[in-house]
Amino acid sequence: EVQLVESGGGLVQPGGSLRLSCAASGFTFSSYDMHWVRQATGKGLEWVSAIGTAGDTYYPGSVKGRFTISRENAKNSLYLQMNSLRAGDTAVYYCARGGPLGAFDIWGQGTMVTVSS
Amino acid sequence: EIVLTQSPATLSLSPGERATLSCRASQSVSSYLAWYQQKPGQAPRLLIYDASNRATGIPARFSGSGSGTDFTLTISSLEPEDFAVYYCQQRSNWPPGYTFGQGTKLEIK
Repeated sequence: EVQLVESGGGLVQPGGSLRLSCAASGFTFSSYDMHWVRQATGKGLEWVSAIGTAGDTYYPGSVKGRFTISRENAKNSLYLQMNSLRAGDTAVYYCARGGPLGAFDIWGQGTMVTVSS
Repeated sequence: EIVLTQSPATLSLSPGERATLSCRASQSVSSYLAWYQQKPGQAPRLLIYDASNRATGIPARFSGSGSGTDFTLTISSLEPEDFAVYYCQQRSNWPPGYTFGQGTKLEIK
């Protein structure tokens, strides 16, 4: 079964750091682009970062310089290092597989990140 | 950045009726347009990619159309399990990035 399972969420103070992990199974992880997408409670979806099969990375302006996406193909794992966290970063963070023509075809169940003092 | 605007924000229909959801882009997105369904407490599920191609396992009552800046998701005959929030999403090549529409809530009338 193709599956993505996120972990590492929790409560962190403003200015703090957190590292999210995503464990992939059921497919050849190294062959796919991977993404992080977040959703604040009651709000819409926001793309947070992408990493290509060659390790190239991409970010929107809202997180560039603060978040770092990485992957470890030998462990079928995706990571998101989040630094200088703000209240506005509070959301459920989803790991997603890059599918055909820019779509996200497989999603994890999400991990909650709360930034609050 | 390409902005996607979905309409209506809320659509109230009854099971068996036809649903038409719209997604308009601020500039052409070619056909890099996808649609997702999200139910409360669940992750989004890919329905349509490349504007009109159904993802694996998606029922034939879901169809997508459009190109350039105007796109439509149609559900031909609503089933009870179709009431959810629907998002459109695009990929841009430069600057590299992805954006989502704000969502359309499909609710039971």
